[in-house]
Amino acid sequence: QVRLQESGPGLVRPSETLSLTCTVSGGSISHYYCSWIRQSPGEGLEWIGYFSYNGRTKYNPSLDSRVAISSDTSKSQFSLQLTSVTAADSATYYCARGSRIDCSGGTCFQGSFDIWGPGTVVTVSS
Amino acid sequence: IQLTQSPSSFSASAGDKVTITCRASQGVSRYLAWYQQKPGKPPTLLVSGASTLQSGVPTRFSGSGSGTDFTLTINSLQAEDLATYYCQQYKSDPPTFGPGTKVDL
Repeated sequence: QVRLQESGPGLVRPSETLSLTCTVSGGSISHYYCSWIRQSPGEGLEWIGYFSYNGRTKYNPSLDSRVAISSDTSKSQFSLQLTSVTAADSATYYCARGSRIDCSGGTCFQGSFDIWGPGTVVTVSS
Repeated sequence: IQLTQSPSSFSASAGDKVTITCRASQGVSRYLAWYQQKPGKPPTLLVSGASTLQSGVPTRFSGSGSGTDFTLTINSLQAEDLATYYCQQYKSDPPTFGPGTKVDL
């Protein structure tokens, strides 16, 4: 059974970079979409972006200029970096597996999120 | 694509039939999922493709709808169903979530 686990600092100072890692165990998700999603009381659930099965990345336009997602398949990990953080970036951050749907001609699309990590709380404060 | 849910919260009793609606600002065909979230836990996927129940999800849960209007129904509510329910569209990027419907006793 595939499991995801987020890790990283729980406190980040304003203007610095938030870095989180998701470790995959019990199997591989390299054939799926490795997504990051965050949840805050004020903003609800917000998709941040993904690293896809074919090595592509896609980000939420609201965060595009500040976010980077990468993958290290040798370590069964994928990572999130969010630069220039402010208090508005304080949230619970989840990594999740996005399903592959509507595959044709070698191209697929991301579907629903069928496996989630337990989440990690990140607070941005000085 | 913006999603709205109604009601935002309500109280129900064990055995009740519960209906939660999700409306999309534009058509999403059947690219709509439902999640259940309990306090301190991540969301768990209940339904994808508007009506396909995930493996292991009790059959008292069902989803329906297409286009812009969707429904999650819980037949005979159980105590363990007390949670917040979210809809999510994946028709177009970025995927977006509804604001949630909290069900309590």
